[in-house]
Amino acid sequence: SQQGEEDPQALSIQEGENATMNCSYKTSINNLQWYRQNSGRGLVHLILIRSNEREKHSGRLRVTLDTSKKSSSLLITASRAADTASYFCATDKAGTYKYIFGTGTRLKVLA
Amino acid sequence: NAGVTQTPKFQVLKTGQSMTLQCAQDMNHEYMSWYRQDPGMGLRLIHYSVGAGITDQGEVPNGYNVSRSTTEDFPLRLLSAAPSQTSVYFCATADRPNYGYTFGSGTRLTVV
Repeated sequence: SQQGEEDPQALSIQEGENATMNCSYKTSINNLQWYRQNSGRGLVHLILIRSNEREKHSGRLRVTLDTSKKSSSLLITASRAADTASYFCATDKAGTYKYIFGTGTRLKVLA
Repeated sequence: NAGVTQTPKFQVLKTGQSMTLQCAQDMNHEYMSWYRQDPGMGLRLIHYSVGAGITDQGEVPNGYNVSRSTTEDFPLRLLSAAPSQTSVYFCATADRPNYGYTFGSGTRLTVV
């Protein structure tokens, strides 16, 4: 079973708008990561947030983590056509070395 | 510095055949893992390794074997290919288990 579930499954926005996608997970974690996948390619690591952190920024990316709700959100500000991709969250089950991925959010940014 | 190299990029197998998917990294990463990606299913963990000589099962290990005799290599063996193993396979590595992964470009496997 999937540890993480992204929401929405698909998102379509205009260039310049912000994109928000969410990830929910089931068990206690050490950290949560977000990845991007362009069509047919390997995943690229975007950002990692540890369980004792609440918010993290990297360029146009902002990630929040709410461990009480077992959820995280990824915000991409001022989106560009090049941001069109699938975005995945990955969580490790606390006490293990297993990283489990969610099913992803497909983002389409229209020029 | 090649990063994570997966070979082959494409492969077609007949049901019952065996094969090995190769994964090699030159970053001296301790942690390596294999995932399969199916449409609408996201990535599912097959096997992983936290260092040479140490491997463990992931979510979907049945039908696959791994070994880790060196830090650099982590081959995935399909023992007797089945159509259900048609998928894209990704190898991923990390400096340590709780760090970000570097992914290979994938192997697209079709079992007929």
